[in-house]
Amino acid sequence: GDSVTQMEGPVTLSEEAFLTINCTYTATGYPSLFWYVQYPGEGLQLLLKATKADDKGSNKGFEATYRKETTSFHLEKGSVQVSDSAVYFCALSDRDYKLSFGAGTTVTVRA
Amino acid sequence: NAGVTQTPKFQVLKTGQSMTLQCAQDMNHNSMYWYRQDPGMGLRLIYYSASEGTTDKGEVPNGYNVSRLNKREFSLRLESAAPSQTSVYFCASSEAVGVPYFGPGTRLLVL
Repeated sequence: GDSVTQMEGPVTLSEEAFLTINCTYTATGYPSLFWYVQYPGEGLQLLLKATKADDKGSNKGFEATYRKETTSFHLEKGSVQVSDSAVYFCALSDRDYKLSFGAGTTVTVRA
Repeated sequence: NAGVTQTPKFQVLKTGQSMTLQCAQDMNHNSMYWYRQDPGMGLRLIYYSASEGTTDKGEVPNGYNVSRLNKREFSLRLESAAPSQTSVYFCASSEAVGVPYFGPGTRLLVL
């Protein structure tokens, strides 16, 4: 079945550092790929998405490119802020938009 | 526009007790989902409903039942709660082919 593997945390960074969270997937067909973010005590919010190979999703300074050849969707941000501290989930969806999630990566940004 | 709402926000149960988690969406979405979130495991799909009147099992349906009451509402019932069902439960909804939007979650503790 479909599955997502993402870099385990926790990840601790200083403000203005570069952030990368690796995500690879296994799926039949051509899934859509997502990054969700969960701030402390809140639900999940869609951060960005890509629906086909070579698409780049971007939002709030975060970017991820759908790489079919490496089955990857790595999340990057060039300069993180304290407010980026959260748990980040990589996910893919099948035809019915049922999401399969990675385990989540906790990111802490220190001032 | 409230989006996806869930009640209650927090609940404590004793082993063997029953309860129903409520979910409602006001976005006129056809599809609705119930996920549970456990540390280090991401989110796992319990049940989903592709449209009003239909429900299907997800990855971890044992110990749960669901009802798609109408297009807006999708409830999750625990008939006899067990400590293994201690978790955070998220409801989500989406259009037939669209991005799922999540509710704020229900924290359940089973003693």
